[in-house]
Amino acid sequence: GDSVTQMEGPVTLSEEAFLTINCTYTATGYPSLFWYVQYPGEGLQLLLKATKADDKGSNKGFEATYRKETTSFHLEKGSVQVSDSAVYFCALSLGMNTGFQKLVFGTGTRLLVSP
Amino acid sequence: GAVVSQHPSWVICKSGTSVKIECRSLDFQATTMFWYRQFPKQSLMLMATSNEGSKATYEQGVEKDKFLINHASLTLSTLTVTSAHPEDSSFYICSAIHPSGWEAKNIQYFGAGTRLSVL
Repeated sequence: GDSVTQMEGPVTLSEEAFLTINCTYTATGYPSLFWYVQYPGEGLQLLLKATKADDKGSNKGFEATYRKETTSFHLEKGSVQVSDSAVYFCALSLGMNTGFQKLVFGTGTRLLVSP
Repeated sequence: GAVVSQHPSWVICKSGTSVKIECRSLDFQATTMFWYRQFPKQSLMLMATSNEGSKATYEQGVEKDKFLINHASLTLSTLTVTSAHPEDSSFYICSAIHPSGWEAKNIQYFGAGTRLSVL
């Protein structure tokens, strides 16, 4: 079945460090890929997305490139801030063309950034 | 815009009782809402898809009679955990699809979740 695997956390970094959170997927067909972020006490928010191979999603300094050959969608940021501390979820969807989105999530990776 | 509110954020109940969780889209009308369940250190698992005015579609393995879903209006879906038992203790999250435009239609907006503890 369709699945998403992401690195276990927590990931602990100092402010201004480089961030990578790995995400790989298994899917039948051609999924769309997403990163969601959940700040403490809040709901998941869409951070970025990519709908086809080689697309790069970007938002708030975060980037992820859809790599079909390695079935990966790693999240990166060049310089993290304390305010980036949150849980990050990688997800895929196979329903985009029908206008209906059914998401399959990874387990989430907690990021802790210290001053 | 596109805010989804979930209530309550935390509920404790006795075994055998029923608990209702509400999911509201505050600034848009949502014809489709989703209910997820999350166990500690595990991913969100889709339980059911809730469509306004029709019966919910449940994922395989989810008990329809245990988890009652009602989507009676375009801004409210409810999940009722009936005859709750300790194994139902979990984090329940809802989401809603914003209906305007193809691009927006495929983005889910999430509530903050409800933590259920059954004693």
